[in-house]
Amino acid sequence: DAGVTQSPTHLIKTRGQQVTLRCSPKSGHDTVSWYQQALGQGPQFIFQYYEEEERQRGNFPDRFSGHQFPNYSSELNVNALLLGDSALYLCASSLGTLHTDTQYFGPGTRLTVL
Amino acid sequence: GEDVEQSLFLSVREGDSSVINCTYTDSSSTYLYWYKQEPGAGLQLLTYIFSNMDMKQDQRLTVLLNKKDKHLSLRIADTQTGDSAIYFCAERGQSGGSYIPTFGRGTSLIVHP
Repeated sequence: DAGVTQSPTHLIKTRGQQVTLRCSPKSGHDTVSWYQQALGQGPQFIFQYYEEEERQRGNFPDRFSGHQFPNYSSELNVNALLLGDSALYLCASSLGTLHTDTQYFGPGTRLTVL
Repeated sequence: GEDVEQSLFLSVREGDSSVINCTYTDSSSTYLYWYKQEPGAGLQLLTYIFSNMDMKQDQRLTVLLNKKDKHLSLRIADTQTGDSAIYFCAERGQSGGSYIPTFGRGTSLIVHP
């Protein structure tokens, strides 16, 4: 049973570009959350998707957007990249949206913006 | 806004107990979590505690919660070299009707022989 998978593992972009990160949830999970983890920091919640809709959102600008597909996989899109967007982007999946639902994290995508 | 604070480093000898401390500010916190992150990996949920509990024990792990002081601790008994990792404290309160988790910066646990 595959856990949460993310692609790509590493990515290098330049300022102003756009990027798309992908996440496949753990089998049987229907909810995907995205986090940004800057170097030396804890993860910061970006948003959560359930039933193909954004259900909750953290304090991130509109440059960060996402999508969830019918098979529950998800994409995170970031437009007009800034140097400060360099971070590890983590995807977590769960069955349901309750805070008691255990979230399983993927290994992350390391994004470097030059 | 909500804040979660942790000390950044802890060094212990193999076989000793480790105690990692965390303080939070959100009085509406309902669930508090401990996660473990090993190099190059995502976060692994170790345990969580409801805000109306004082203590939770799970094998080598003991979580203590002092809700009055908003202080959470994780004790690892008989610490092993495989326990070396970054440990994150996180809380989930209610903000505007939704539940958004807030993580600390993480405590890097170093276990030496």
